[in-house]
Amino acid sequence: NAGVMQNPRHLVRRRGQEARLRCSPMKGHSHVYWYRQLPEEGLKFMVYLQKENIIDESGMPKERFSAEFPKEGPSILRIQQVVRGDSAAYFCASSQGPSYEQYFGPGTRLTVT
Amino acid sequence: RKEVEQDPGPFNVPEGATVAFNCTYSNSASQSFFWYRQDCRKEPKLLMSVYSSGNEDGRFTAQLNRASQYISLLIRDSKLSDSATYLCVVNLGTGNQFYFGTGTSLTVIP
Repeated sequence: NAGVMQNPRHLVRRRGQEARLRCSPMKGHSHVYWYRQLPEEGLKFMVYLQKENIIDESGMPKERFSAEFPKEGPSILRIQQVVRGDSAAYFCASSQGPSYEQYFGPGTRLTVT
Repeated sequence: RKEVEQDPGPFNVPEGATVAFNCTYSNSASQSFFWYRQDCRKEPKLLMSVYSSGNEDGRFTAQLNRASQYISLLIRDSKLSDSATYLCVVNLGTGNQFYFGTGTSLTVIP
């Protein structure tokens, strides 16, 4: 009974490089959420996706960030031209539907050097 | 005003104590409510959903007060393993976002 899977668990990128974070939802879940958590801060919603659709991206920065959840394969959060301020833990969660409880993956810790 | 507000604590309590956390939410149209716990540098884990009638799971009791727009979590007979940050989560229902409080830190002392 695999839970939500994220990879990589740790990612180091130099300024200006691209970061790709992957999330496979729990079996039977078709709703995926991405959150960012800065050190000593709370979780901040970024984007909510269903298969092939972005439902709500109101928490995504306007530039450099994008997300997708293709018909086949994991959801991907892409950060282009990373800057030091992008260093954070990025958590993915999945659920059965928009008001159902969410289950979180272990997170990807991004460090930008 | 924040959608969800929690007392950040920290709460330091001895083993065996009873401790309660409150969380207030700003939107009266909120539909779903949850408590999560987060251990240091780990992912949030669902502790319990909060129902209108209140619900209990072992040593944990959650209550919802719609009139005053707050939810509470009561932990009885605290264990050392209860030390964590407790996150209050609200789903507004009008959109798809879950709003997380910044968390209340609990340390149970031997």
